[in-house]
Amino acid sequence: AQTVTQSQPEMSVQEAETVTLSCTYDTSENNYYLFWYKQPPSRQMILVIRQEAYKQQNATENRFSVNFQKAAKSFSLKISDSQLGDTAMYFCASSNRDDKIIFGKGTRLHILP
Amino acid sequence: EAEVAQSPRYKITEKSQAVAFWCDPISGHATLYWYRQILGQGPELLVQFQDESVVDDSQLPKDRFSAERLKGVDSTLKIQPAELGDSAMYLCASSLEYQGELNQETQYFGPGTRLLVL
Repeated sequence: AQTVTQSQPEMSVQEAETVTLSCTYDTSENNYYLFWYKQPPSRQMILVIRQEAYKQQNATENRFSVNFQKAAKSFSLKISDSQLGDTAMYFCASSNRDDKIIFGKGTRLHILP
Repeated sequence: EAEVAQSPRYKITEKSQAVAFWCDPISGHATLYWYRQILGQGPELLVQFQDESVVDDSQLPKDRFSAERLKGVDSTLKIQPAELGDSAMYLCASSLEYQGELNQETQYFGPGTRLLVL
C-alpha cells in the first residue's frame, strides 16, 4: 500500500530563516508524482510544489525547493527566507497511476516574527 | 481567478440527522474529488468522479454516505444518518482531466465544510 510519512508534527522558525520539512514515502510504482500542499489557518489548501518521479532535477518554485532522493524515497521541502505568511500546515503527498493522492499527516509550521 | 466553491462552510447537526454538502468545481474541470480531513490528519479520499461517473469510491462508507454528480458539473455529498465520528472537514477538489495512467493535473481545493456532529 502507498504510504506517506511526515515525522515532524510541528516546527517553529524565525522569520527570514531557512527551514526544511521532512517526508518519506513508500510506493511500488515506477512513475508517480510527489507534492507539497500548504493549508493556511482557515484557508484552503494550495499546491506549493510538485515533482515528477522520473525527473532527477529537483523542483523549485521561488523560495520553495525540494530535495528528492528517489532511492531513499525521501522528499523534503526547503523554504528559504521564510515569511510570516508561510505559517500553515504542510502536507506531503504522492499520487499513483490510479490518480489517487495519498497525504501525510502534516507538519504544522510556525514562522515567528 | 476561478475557485472551487463549497457550501455550507460550517454545519452543526445532531447524530442520526441527515446532512448534505455541495461543491461546484472550477469550470471545465472534469474530475472532482471529495475528501474527509479529520483534525490533525491529512485528507483522505472518499470518492472521485470523472464527469458524472464514479471512478473510485472504495473508501466511501456506503451504508451512510452517498455522492452524486448528476450532470457532471457540481456535486453533492450526503451523510444519513450522521454519527459522532463523522465530525471532520469535508474538502472538495477538482482537476482538469483524468489522465488514466497518471495524474498530471493539479488538484485545486475548495475551502471545505466543517461538520460537527453532536
